[in-house]
Amino acid sequence: ETGVTQTPRHLVMGMTNKKSLKCEQHLGHNAMYWYKQSAKKPLELMFVYNFKEQTENNSVPSRFSPECPNSSHLFLHLHTLQPEDSALYLCASSTAGGGNEQFFGPGTRLTVL
Amino acid sequence: ILNVEQSPQSLHVQEGDSTNFTCSFPSSNFYALHWYRWETAKSPEALFVMTLNGDEKKKGRISATLNTKEGYSYLYIKGSQPEDSATYLCASPRGNFNKFYFGSGTKLNVKP
Repeated sequence: ETGVTQTPRHLVMGMTNKKSLKCEQHLGHNAMYWYKQSAKKPLELMFVYNFKEQTENNSVPSRFSPECPNSSHLFLHLHTLQPEDSALYLCASSTAGGGNEQFFGPGTRLTVL
Repeated sequence: ILNVEQSPQSLHVQEGDSTNFTCSFPSSNFYALHWYRWETAKSPEALFVMTLNGDEKKKGRISATLNTKEGYSYLYIKGSQPEDSATYLCASPRGNFNKFYFGSGTKLNVKP
């Protein structure tokens, strides 16, 4: 158990749906991350939050909208997604700065029909 | 974009075999190299954080070395066991150091 939980673990949605992914960390960290892993590609950083402020947006399309209401929670709001957005979405947390070890959740497997 | 490359892409070994795989990364502006172990349907789990050239770290039967001048790290598993079957990822933090660049991983399958 890494102390980072993600819900739901699996999600199937249509292209016109709106859904949200949730991440929660119980490790007292102050940085949180969203990653995407598509088939046969490396883990790709999407967003970074430090102390609830977004510090990195890796050119992610606006149909993905992150939200970090506090240091323990991170959301990824999804709307009008495309089938190519189907992937595993991982959340991670760490102590902010310095390339510190990141602790990962188990991921949400998203399928867009 | 930072090129972090891992080889081989996959590896099949028999129980008891020792094995090793490679992570290569740009040697300029090096800060650290992280190794993760990722079992199917579980969370990636940190194995090692390596920062100094010549570093060697060990955890049980797994060890890793680091060469920052030439930009590579090796991960070794001695006497592989079926429970070692997983994907092994390396990552190099850059930029503001919260930004991790991951390799594609080496998928290890250990047959009993």
